[in-house]
Amino acid sequence: QKEVEQDPGPLSVPEGAIVSLNCTYSNSAFQYFMWYRQYSRKGPELLMYTYSSGNKEDGRFTAQVDKSSKYISLFIRDSQPSDSATYLCAMTAMSGGSNYKLTFGKGTLLTVNP
Amino acid sequence: EPEVTQTPSHQVTQMGQEVILRCVPISNHLYFYWYRQILGQKVEFLVSFYNNEISEKSEIFDDQFSVERPDGSNFTLKIRSTKLEDSAMYFCASTGQPNTEAFFGQGTRLTVV
Repeated sequence: QKEVEQDPGPLSVPEGAIVSLNCTYSNSAFQYFMWYRQYSRKGPELLMYTYSSGNKEDGRFTAQVDKSSKYISLFIRDSQPSDSATYLCAMTAMSGGSNYKLTFGKGTLLTVNP
Repeated sequence: EPEVTQTPSHQVTQMGQEVILRCVPISNHLYFYWYRQILGQKVEFLVSFYNNEISEKSEIFDDQFSVERPDGSNFTLKIRSTKLEDSAMYFCASTGQPNTEAFFGQGTRLTVV
């Protein structure tokens, strides 16, 4: 079983739709969860960062973490064509020491159609 | 807004040649990373660096790879003898404190021919 699984899509929605993106993970040591947005041939841009189960909201974005199910989600409300990108989930363990490497999902390609 | 900067944006090199990819992390950050993304695949961890030494490296980071922080601002990744399969996007990232947000640069696209 892969450490982090993410449906690669592609996902195509009309403008204004609510988008739901999801990842599951198998390593219970993962405690910190991030969502990144990546445009083609660009670097990942941090959208959301959470470390506790529950919801965290920032503008049109809501990150949800369920540690008991090892499942995280990103919701985008009122989606815009400019949201069209690949969305990457990433997570890291609270391992102590000096290394906090991220383990990424494969990314979901989202297209928002005007 | 502070950002991680990487140079060059694109590097083409012949197989067997050495390349150095450069990064300037965010100025008050202490933890530095290199990641790689082969076209169409996921972002993979290569190496982490803290307090002037490697904290962890992946299986990908073999003897052909090295990292260095030659001064107070730059962080470099050297590939000694490039192979075709080293062609990828290479991303530098930095964090200020353990387990806080990791910020990525725009990447260097390395093409080995």
